[in-house]
This record gives sequence, C-alpha cells and structure tokens, in this order.
Amino acid sequence: DQQVKQNSPSLSVQEGRISILNCDYTNSMFDYFLWYKKYPAEGPTFLISISSIKDKNEDGRFTVFLNKSAKHLSLHIVPSQPGDSAVYFCAASALFRNRDDKIIFGKGTRLHILP
Amino acid sequence: DTGVSQDPRHKITKRGQNVTFRCDPISEHNRLYWYRQTLGQGPEFLTYFQNEAQLEKSRLLSDRFSAERPKGSFSTLEIQRTEQGDSAMYLCASSLGGGSYEQYFGPGTRLTVT
Repeated sequence: DQQVKQNSPSLSVQEGRISILNCDYTNSMFDYFLWYKKYPAEGPTFLISISSIKDKNEDGRFTVFLNKSAKHLSLHIVPSQPGDSAVYFCAASALFRNRDDKIIFGKGTRLHILP
Repeated sequence: DTGVSQDPRHKITKRGQNVTFRCDPISEHNRLYWYRQTLGQGPEFLTYFQNEAQLEKSRLLSDRFSAERPKGSFSTLEIQRTEQGDSAMYLCASSLGGGSYEQYFGPGTRLTVT
C-alpha cells in the first residue's frame, strides 16, 4: 500500500515556465515532507523540506506547498531550467509525532525540461 | 566534506554467493540509513543506526541481510545466499541528527544477481 503517491510518472515543461510536481499521502501521522531530485547513476539529492506546521517553504527557485486537509503537497520550480531534468521523489516521515525519521518515498516523477 | 561514499559502485554476483557493501557517511553524522531501490520504485527503507546502535529494521530485511556499524562511523550491509530478487540499487544515507533531519544520500551500490 503506497503511503506516498506520485500519480504522474512523467512531466514535460518548456524551459522558463513553471514546473509543478504533485504528491499525495495517506498516513495522517506524517508531519515532515521532503523532495529529492535524482540524476541517473547518482543517489537522490535533498532539495527542500517542510514540516506540517507550515503550508509553504521557499528556497530560491523551489517552493513546496502543503495542504494538510487534502493530504497533498506540491513542488513548484520557477523558472524551469534544463538542469532540472531529473526524477523527483516526494517523501514523508512521522518525524515529530513518532520521532520516526525513516523516510517513505513515492515512486517518483520524471521531469523533462524542453528547450 | 566529501559526502556519503559507497563501495563498490557495482557488484555482479552469482545466486547463492554472499556480498558485502560498505558505506562511509558524512563525518560527524551520527545517523546512518540503508535503503533499497528497484526499477520504477522509490527508495525503500531497510534499517538505520544511531551511532553504533541499530534502531530499526524493516520487514524487507530478511534473515539473509545483516547490517553493522561497529564504531559508529562506516557501516556494512551483508547479503547472504543472494537471490535474483535481491538485484537492486542499495543506497546509504546519513543525517546529523539533533534537530537536523535532512538525509544525504550516497551514489548507491548496484547489485546484479545472475
């Protein structure tokens, strides 16, 4: 049973436009959420995180939005650049409620930035 | 800071053989995690350590799998009597702990069991 769901296996976006990657979760105990980016033959690279006490966190071109009532989060990349082409993983943990920092990952969304 | 390193990067072995992987975390990171990733899936948690103590093991970690972190620094993951279903990317991550929760991943060890 997938606790973290990324329903879009792939997404293509024009360079310079906004990329929006979506993620849904089912476990109401999750209170800490992360996005990772992965290039082929490399391990995942941490991008940005958000705790459940916030609904938005911004870091440069990356913004994560959290809607707790809908159990939904999204990653916005503005503007999209060619180097953003990668697989993006949404991940969650019950870090604060359960003191459990093991991360549950979604299956990933492959982002293609088109020239 | 050299990041998390893993060795070897690739391992091909025959079914029934034992294999051992090594992970060197970022220095001063006291938490170390092992994950497994198969094609089309996200990484799946296997086990983690706080210093040398193994705090949790996933149901995915069968009796053929054992992990150690003897001095609280590097860790090893051993798979005994490998099976074809063990073919995967084995990822190691570390975190500082103590209020810093981001996990930083190594490049992984790709295991192929023939």
